[in-house]
Amino acid sequence: GAVVSQHPSRVICKSGTSVKIECRSLDFQATTMFWYRQFPKKSLMLMATSNEGSKATYEQGVEKDKFLINHASLTLSTLTVTSAHPEDSSFYICSARDRREYQETQYFGPGTRLLVL
Amino acid sequence: AQSVTQLDSQVPVFEEAPVELRCNYSSSVSVYLFWYVQYPNQGLQLLLKYLSGSTLVKGINGFEAEFNKSQTSFHLRKPSVHISDTAEYFCAVKPRNNDMRFGAGTRLTVKP
Repeated sequence: GAVVSQHPSRVICKSGTSVKIECRSLDFQATTMFWYRQFPKKSLMLMATSNEGSKATYEQGVEKDKFLINHASLTLSTLTVTSAHPEDSSFYICSARDRREYQETQYFGPGTRLLVL
Repeated sequence: AQSVTQLDSQVPVFEEAPVELRCNYSSSVSVYLFWYVQYPNQGLQLLLKYLSGSTLVKGINGFEAEFNKSQTSFHLRKPSVHISDTAEYFCAVKPRNNDMRFGAGTRLTVKP
């Protein structure tokens, strides 16, 4: 149980285009999902917390107009990188918290490698 | 504010040797503690977690960790490592009513 998927696993796009990344909880409902960014050989940096049916909460320094987050259902959150630049190239990882677990364990997706040319 | 310190950025060991990956944290409130493993180009997989109760926690792949409240530590151990344990290991702290925070990671390299 507690499986989280991400799609796509890898994406290459041209500078200036937008890219959408999906995060799904496959066998549980997640009222809260998280989006992280990971640079090479670095830890995870929390970008935003996504709550189903409400606006995402962004961490300081993360541009909400550039990284659009939508959490339309209890099993799906999307991150859209708008007007992508080469410096947006990174590994993006989502996680989801099972609404039944009060202990708040987060289950992570396999990540999406984004390369902006 | 909370912080998580993984004292070793890299730990090389030989196959079948024991290993300990160290993690210390600071928090003014009670916390939940986690260890995750990340294989190359993959997401994080939960190894084990401490929520309450027994301070010795057993996880998957033969790993265990011990919560030491007085030393604010949650070190990860395995008595005998395999080549397949080569990966990045992250300690994470989740204070109540706050977001999970990760350590910088420890790269475990198991050599034949």
